[in-house]
Amino acid sequence: DSGVTQTPKHLITATGQRVTLRCSPRSGDLSVYWYQQSLDQGLQFLIQYYNGEERAKGNILERFSAQQFPDLHSELNLSSLELGDSALYFCASSVSPRGGPYEQYFGPGTRLTVT
Amino acid sequence: AQRVTQPEKLLSVFKGAPVELKCNYSYSGSPELFWYVQYSRQRLQLLLRHISRESIKGFTADLNKGETSFHLKKPFAQEEDSAMYYCALIDNQGGKLIFGQGTELSVKP
Repeated sequence: DSGVTQTPKHLITATGQRVTLRCSPRSGDLSVYWYQQSLDQGLQFLIQYYNGEERAKGNILERFSAQQFPDLHSELNLSSLELGDSALYFCASSVSPRGGPYEQYFGPGTRLTVT
Repeated sequence: AQRVTQPEKLLSVFKGAPVELKCNYSYSGSPELFWYVQYSRQRLQLLLRHISRESIKGFTADLNKGETSFHLKKPFAQEEDSAMYYCALIDNQGGKLIFGQGTELSVKP
């Protein structure tokens, strides 16, 4: 167990809907990362937060947004869902984005199925 | 451009045989490289980081800057090693992980 938790574990929803994925980082970790894993695209970085502020953006669609709250948990919001958004969404956390111990530890993921 | 390449999509070996999972990278500067393992599309688990030079579950990996490689090796494969293996490097600007496409290791009895 890496200490990173994600809810829900599975999510099945219809096209056009909106969902929220939640992540709690390891105790003491300030940085949270979101990744998408799909069969055709592999593991893709979406977005990173550090201590409540957005730090880096990757291949994240405009329909997707995220935030990190004062208690350091993070939420990834996916709206106007399309069939192609079906994927595993992972959250990872690390102590700091650069320097020192920066290994990223992953949560169990949320499996999103859009029908 | 920063990139990680894992040329083999699938590697199949027999139990007890040596294993080498290839990883090549493209990076300007000194890379920070990792191997992650994923069993049955569950969470990614950190297997190795090049700075620690440790051996986990019998796996080792050496950074070869001349060949820009970070191959993962194990002298005797076990059936429980069957999994997806991802090589990754830390982006030099933001700290995100850049992953290779992954190699599925299948160890047959």
